[in-house]
Amino acid sequence: DGGITQSPKYLFRKEGQNVTLSCEQNLNHDAMYWYRQDPGQGLRLIYYSQIVNDFQKGDIAEGYSVSREKKESFPLTVTSAQKNPTAFYLCASSINGEAFFGQGTRLTVV
Amino acid sequence: EDQVTQSPEALRLQEGESSSLNCSYTVSGLRGLFWYRQDPGKGPEFLFTLYSAGEEKEKERLKATLTKKESFLHITAPKPEDSATYLCAVRDNNNDMRFGAGTRLTVKP
Repeated sequence: DGGITQSPKYLFRKEGQNVTLSCEQNLNHDAMYWYRQDPGQGLRLIYYSQIVNDFQKGDIAEGYSVSREKKESFPLTVTSAQKNPTAFYLCASSINGEAFFGQGTRLTVV
Repeated sequence: EDQVTQSPEALRLQEGESSSLNCSYTVSGLRGLFWYRQDPGKGPEFLFTLYSAGEEKEKERLKATLTKKESFLHITAPKPEDSATYLCAVRDNNNDMRFGAGTRLTVKP
C-alpha cells in the first residue's frame, strides 16, 4: 500500500558521529520535506526538495545535509556540526499542497 | 514572515463537552490552510484543507472553518479517542508551509 516510510523508528548517536535517517515514499510525489519537532514547538523545516537532484534549505538547515537522487528517496544526514540533535524527525511528501507524513524517527544523542 | 498561532496550548474536556480550537495566521497569499491530528510518537495525520474564507469541511465529530485571519476546529460531543495534538499549518504563495505549535486536547470519560 502507498505511503511514506521512515527508518529507523529510534536512533541513538554518540557525540561526534554522523547519522542518516531514511525516508522513502511510493506516492509518486515530487515534493519531499524534512521537519524537526521539539516538545511544545511547531514543526520546523530543515530541508525540502521540489524535484529530483534539487533541494533547498529550510529555516534550520545548519548541521544537516540531504540528497535527492531518486524521486522516492530523501535521506537526511545529521552531522556532528548539529549541536543539539536530540529531537523527533518527520519526513513528508506533498502533491497539490497537502503534506503527508511518515511515522517519524526519534534521535537521541548519548 | 508567515506566522501561525494556535490556542489554547492545552484543552481538557469531559466526554460530550463540545469546544473549539483556534488557529490565527498571517501569510503572504494563502494557498491553503491545513489541519492535522498527531498522536504521541506518531507522524501527523491529515484532516482537512481549506482554501478560502467561508469554506467549511466536516469529518465525523470535527468541523473546520476559515476566515481571512483565523481558522477554527470545532469538536462536537468529543470522545476519549479524540485526544491528540491538533496542528494547523498554512501554505503561502512561495509554496512555503508553516506550522503552529499545536493544541493538546485531552478528553476525559
